[in-house]
Amino acid sequence: AQTVTQSQPEMSVQEAETVTLSCTYDTSESDYYLFWYKQPPSRQMILVIRQEAYKQQNATENRFSVNFQKAAKSFSLKISDSQLGDAAMYFCACGNEKLTFGTGTRLTIIP
Amino acid sequence: EAQVTQNPRYLITVTGKKLTVTCSQNMNHEYMSWYRQDPGLGLRQIYYSMNVEVTDKGDVPEGYKVSRKEKRNFPLILESPSPNQTSLYFCASSLLRGTDTQYFGPGTRLTVL
Repeated sequence: AQTVTQSQPEMSVQEAETVTLSCTYDTSESDYYLFWYKQPPSRQMILVIRQEAYKQQNATENRFSVNFQKAAKSFSLKISDSQLGDAAMYFCACGNEKLTFGTGTRLTIIP
Repeated sequence: EAQVTQNPRYLITVTGKKLTVTCSQNMNHEYMSWYRQDPGLGLRQIYYSMNVEVTDKGDVPEGYKVSRKEKRNFPLILESPSPNQTSLYFCASSLLRGTDTQYFGPGTRLTVL
């Protein structure tokens, strides 16, 4: 069975500052991927970033980057230069064909 | 426009009355999946399908059925809904595998009285 744990139900950050969202996971799969999805108030789920577990290099997408620590089974998301539009629920997910999501972290941006 | 559509978007029903939530994608994706989202529990996968006539259980399949007779459609069937199936449901599709970028539908808010 896979598990994904997001230990921070809520986070807040000042606009233009940097924030890190935590995620730990456990899986018995040898080949798996990790994801961060964003859900703004519109409820639409949007992929933020994707990491292949066999790649050691951390994925980066513009202001979003991850710190992937495979041995520690940790996959944190760093958002740099936070913007008001980043306010959303963020879900970490892990898996192969079957995906397991965490319970989410609600991010608030303070103007 | 490439999209995943779900119908209905909102549904209120009563216990035991069979219902179907439709899901359709126009991107010729092989992989499709259903999730439910509940407060404090995040998203949980119900069923997924890797191709036509190929479906498999996710983490919470009890009380649900699916079918994949055509590549574009992946309906979710609740044969005898119960109040604990009140939830927000999302359909998603991706090009080949669950590990590809998943494109989500807008969600269906289901209330079972």
